[in-house]
Amino acid sequence: GQQVMQIPQYQHVQEGEDFTTYCNSSTTLSNIQWYKQRPGGHPVFLIQLVKSGEVKKQKRLTFQFGEAKKNSSLHITATQTTDVGTYFCAPGNTGGFKTIFGAGTRLFVKA
Amino acid sequence: DAGITQSPRYKITETGRQVTLMCHQTWSHSYMFWYRQDLGHGLRLIYYSAAADITDKGEVPDGYVVSRSKTENFPLTLESATRSQTSVYFCASRRDTEAFFGQGTRLTVV
Repeated sequence: GQQVMQIPQYQHVQEGEDFTTYCNSSTTLSNIQWYKQRPGGHPVFLIQLVKSGEVKKQKRLTFQFGEAKKNSSLHITATQTTDVGTYFCAPGNTGGFKTIFGAGTRLFVKA
Repeated sequence: DAGITQSPRYKITETGRQVTLMCHQTWSHSYMFWYRQDLGHGLRLIYYSAAADITDKGEVPDGYVVSRSKTENFPLTLESATRSQTSVYFCASRRDTEAFFGQGTRLTVV
């Protein structure tokens, strides 16, 4: 089945620093979604990217979909303690209607 | 309120016992999923369903059974619980491509 590699696995930053997580696939994706899970919580949908080269912004979060639609990134500018949690990517069109997730990147923010 | 609810939130069971985790959604979404989450493994898909009476295996189905007699319910049964099934279990339903998750069930097998 379709799988993605998400890096890094963990990231420690000082509050105010930027953060980026990457999601890489060996195959072309039809779309990709990003989710955030706060510690002790459940994953919550953030965004979906569909078009080649697409860039979307949500306040301090910038999401990009690669030109070849094989990779995606989530960048957070000037992290805050509220950004802590695990960020997951989920590639679309995994040979059907399954929703498979990347391993996630856990973000720690030190105040 | 509309949403997706899981029960119980916490469960402790003994090795070898059968246990069922419940999942109920009020949106009438066609697609539903069960995941388990363990440290270092992210979210792994156990079983999924496209509609009532249509289910299929995910990445880690061994030791689990599901049913979906009604669109709104998708129970997950551990037929004979093992310690390796200690985990947090999440149920989700999907509208288009966006998945909505329940609060999770923390299961401990002793």
